[in-house]
Formats: sequence, C-alpha cells, structure tokens
Amino acid sequence: SQTIHQWPATLVQPVGSPLSLECTVEGTSNPNLYWYRQAAGRGLQLLFYSVGIGQISSEVPQNLSASRPQDRQFILSSKKLLLSDSGFYLCAWSSGGAKTQYFGPGTRLLVL
Amino acid sequence: GDSVTQMEGPVTLSEEAFLTINCTYTATGYPSLFWYVQYPGEGLQLLLKATKADDKGSNKGFEATYRKETTSFHLEKGSVQVSDSAVYFCALSPPGGGADGLTFGKGTHLIIQP
Repeated sequence: SQTIHQWPATLVQPVGSPLSLECTVEGTSNPNLYWYRQAAGRGLQLLFYSVGIGQISSEVPQNLSASRPQDRQFILSSKKLLLSDSGFYLCAWSSGGAKTQYFGPGTRLLVL
Repeated sequence: GDSVTQMEGPVTLSEEAFLTINCTYTATGYPSLFWYVQYPGEGLQLLLKATKADDKGSNKGFEATYRKETTSFHLEKGSVQVSDSAVYFCALSPPGGGADGLTFGKGTHLIIQP
C-alpha cells in the first residue's frame, strides 16, 4: 500500500531564516505531487505541483520554491521566510491520470 | 475560474442527529467531486468521491450525490456520532487528464455534542 510522509511535523522559525520541508511517497512510482498551504481559518491553496522529476509548476507567485530531486521526493523551500508564510503545509500525491489526491500528515510552520 | 462554496459553520449538532453540509460548485464541464475530512492537527483524509453526474459516493455512513443540474454535492449522514467532529472540505478537480490541483471550499467545522 502507498504511504506519504512529511517532516518535520512542527517547525518554529524566525523571520528571514531559510526553510526546507520534505515530502516522500512510498509504494508507488511516478506519482503526481502537490504542495498546499492551509492558513488559519481558510481553505487550502495549491502552491506547486509536479508531474515528474525536475518538473515543477507554480500556482501562486511568492517567496517559496519547490523541487523534485527524486521520483518520490518533493521539497518546499524558501531562502527568507516571511511572517505570512506561517501555516499548515500539506503534501499530496495522485497516480497517473487519476483525480483523487491523498494527503500527508502536514507540517505546521510558525514564523516569528 | 473554478470555485467551491460550502457553509463554514461551526455546525453544532447533538449525537444521533441528521447531518447535511451544503456544497455547491462553479466549473466548466463535469469535474470530479470530493469530500475530505480533517481531524484536529492532522492531514486530510478522503471521505468519498463522485466522478460523474448522478453518481453517489458513500463511506462510513456518509453520502453525497453529484447533482449537475444544481451544481451541488451535499454531504449527508443519518445519525452522527461524537467521533464525527472534524472539519469537512468539499473539493473539485476539473475534467481532463491533467495533473490539476484540487479547488477546495473553506471547510465546515462540525461539532457533535453527546
């Protein structure tokens, strides 16, 4: 069966510091991968998605970036965090042309 | 663009009450429709889905029917339990074969009192 992992689970970072969040998927190959952000009291916003290694599509201009160095690894990064980057970051995967997405446990980021 | 509208709540019910959470959408063609549930501090879990008009998705006593004529996908459960307390998200994926992200509603916070 497929599983999706995210780490860290919780992160507290100062404004201006760098960020690296990691997501890995097990039990499938060539998944589509997604990063979403859930701000307090709001729905989920798609940030990035990837259909293959090195292929990244950005949905929202911001100071975040994403990379996919391996087939089942998806990384969310920032060079300098802003207060507005605080939120709950969720990674998701789907297989091939299937529409159903499966979510990881999330990373809670607090920027102070 | 695509959008999903759902009642935000909080919705407070007593145990064994009937539940309806309304969800309507705006999209071109026939999107796939989903309900996800989020328990405190956790990620989203797929609750049910429907991929074409008049399909009924069901799981764990929850049901939702894809109504193209009213562009709706309302979530229902006949008898709720305290353990159903969570945030429920309605979402859509546009038609076609692309790896599109999901468009979510803002979520409905459901509180079930014993």
